[in-house]
Amino acid sequence: NAGVTQTPKFQVLKTGQSMTLQCAQDMNHEYMSWYRQDPGMGLRLIHYSVGAGITDQGEVPNGYNVSRSTTEDFPLRLLSAAPSQTSVYFCASKRGAELFFGSGTQLSVL
Amino acid sequence: AQKVTQAQTEISVVEKEDVTLDCVYETRDTTYYLFWYKQPPSGELVFLIRRNSFDEQNEISGRYSWNFQKSTSSFNFTITASQVVDSAVYFCALSEASYGGSQGNLIFGKGTKLSVKP
Repeated sequence: NAGVTQTPKFQVLKTGQSMTLQCAQDMNHEYMSWYRQDPGMGLRLIHYSVGAGITDQGEVPNGYNVSRSTTEDFPLRLLSAAPSQTSVYFCASKRGAELFFGSGTQLSVL
Repeated sequence: AQKVTQAQTEISVVEKEDVTLDCVYETRDTTYYLFWYKQPPSGELVFLIRRNSFDEQNEISGRYSWNFQKSTSSFNFTITASQVVDSAVYFCALSEASYGGSQGNLIFGKGTKLSVKP
């Protein structure tokens, strides 16, 4: 049972490049979400999804796109990376009130 | 609006000392959940505890204990006889129990970095 799997673990981008952070879960959870973690800021919600075909914005959605075509996958897309998007990104799925986190992706935008 | 405040940015203690991490929350809901997560230097987020708003009993798990007081909107976390392995960033979080609107999204505090020195 893999839980929540995020790839890649590390990524370096140049300003303006695009990329997709992958997130997959094998627990059949309807709810999935993306958080970013910045020093001194805690974790802030970017986007979330309550099921396939349904997504919504969180606290800091600008610069990010998401889609949810299957229950298992919830990719996060950066269309034109900016230095302000340098952060650690966590994907999570939820059962009831309990959140299950992936191991994180450390992204640097130069 | 929901809010979680962890006023202590960093705490440093010597091994075997007791330490309390403070968490104060704001919510207009009568039904909600409170959480603590641990983030060790390796970076993963480790779930420690979940409490619902109707259960004000204190909880103890080994050296860890939690004090939930609705009257002061606080959910404090105490580590007894701290150890070097307790060094980590600790996050308090809040979610609404309702499943409309925000769908119970977790709102996190900014975290408290605990350093336990030998």
